[in-house]
Amino acid sequence: AQKITQTQPGMFVQEKEAVTLDCTYDTSDPSYGLFWYKQPSSGEMIFLIYQGSYDQQNATEGRYSLNFQKARKSANLVISASQLGDSAMYFCAMREPYGGSQGNLIFGKGTKLSVKP
Amino acid sequence: DAGVTQSPTHLIKTRGQQVTLRCSPKSGHDTVSWYQQALGQGPQFIFQYYEEEERQRGNFPDRFSGHQFPNYSSELNVNALLLGDSALYLCASSLGGWGLYSYEQYFGPGTRLTVT
Repeated sequence: AQKITQTQPGMFVQEKEAVTLDCTYDTSDPSYGLFWYKQPSSGEMIFLIYQGSYDQQNATEGRYSLNFQKARKSANLVISASQLGDSAMYFCAMREPYGGSQGNLIFGKGTKLSVKP
Repeated sequence: DAGVTQSPTHLIKTRGQQVTLRCSPKSGHDTVSWYQQALGQGPQFIFQYYEEEERQRGNFPDRFSGHQFPNYSSELNVNALLLGDSALYLCASSLGGWGLYSYEQYFGPGTRLTVT
């Protein structure tokens, strides 16, 4: 069965420093997509970044980058130059199949990131 | 451009009652998915509607049902409420199901349901 594991319940980072949030996944399907979402206290899930299993390069979106290591089945999120507004819950999620017509997301339990001034 | 909207924001119900939650997708989107997020957990997929039909369903009992209207908006109905149904219910919209270029799901702010 598909599974997403986030082993860091909480993380602290100093403002302006970089932070890495860990995510490992398990799937037997060669085609899948990996996502990171940010959930502030308001509750809305905000899409941050996407990586397809066949993408050759790691995805980047502004201050967010995804460190995709396919052989290790890991998809860590790197946030550079942390800001106070980055304090939130972060969820890693997986969708399979890649580009298919079905697409529910499987989420991890999340990591609570706190940015210290 | 309006994003995904959900109503109501908060809801308190009693065990055994029935509840209806509503969702309007982002403009131009035709697919709606519903998720349940218990406190301290990640969201869990309930079901997805496309072209007014339930296309995929997660591991939820038949007490959870839904509907999609011709304007693509959607409802989530939960019958015979249990205390364990207390959660944040998130609606997400996307375009054309899950085609190659429609991988993004846009989430609404959610409806927080409390069952007492």
